[in-house]
Amino acid sequence: QVQLVQSGAEVRKPGASVKVSCKASGYTFTTYAITWVRQAPGQGLEWMGWINSYNGNTNHAQKVQGRVTMTTDTSTSTVFMELRNLRSDDTAVYYCARGSSGWEYSPPDYWGQGTLVTVSS
Amino acid sequence: EILLTQSPGTLSLSPGERATLSCRASQSFSRNYLAWYQQKPGQAPRLLIHGASGRATGIPDRFSGSGSGTDFTLTISRLEPEDFAVYYCQQYDRSPITFGQGTRLEI
Repeated sequence: QVQLVQSGAEVRKPGASVKVSCKASGYTFTTYAITWVRQAPGQGLEWMGWINSYNGNTNHAQKVQGRVTMTTDTSTSTVFMELRNLRSDDTAVYYCARGSSGWEYSPPDYWGQGTLVTVSS
Repeated sequence: EILLTQSPGTLSLSPGERATLSCRASQSFSRNYLAWYQQKPGQAPRLLIHGASGRATGIPDRFSGSGSGTDFTLTISRLEPEDFAVYYCQQYDRSPITFGQGTRLEI
């Protein structure tokens, strides 16, 4: 069965970086893009971007452009999302999710369990 | 970017009733690339509807989506106790992908 397992909760100080991992299993990793979505406490969903697991192409939201890097390790079927220069408003649960088709924009049908990133001095 | 406005913000209903949730877009979609998600507390979102009206795998047929252009609707025909949650619409017609602010469906 398809599974996305994310790394554990992180606490960082403002200005630091965080790297969240998302290990995929149960399907051919390079066939589907991975999307990252975050959710601040008590708030709605915010799209951060996607990475094409086959060729590494990415597309990021303007709000995190220049601070975010998404990468893949096809040898371990793992996707990474690094966010730099963290601010307090980056405090959120970060989800990785698999697209429902091979198209990068397709709505995700499998989601990781979420990783809480807390930014606090 | 396409802004999505969901209404109502909160919908109070009882099991067995019909729920109608609205999602209005600031610009028209040409391809009806509109999805709906359900999210329960402490859980990841769950894809319900894609392409405005296509049910995702394993989704009960009491969930249906409709609409086109700028106005879309999620209907739950007969509410079950497990349906009380927050619902989000999402457009994936063009970048950036955007979500609505959510509708809380409460008992």
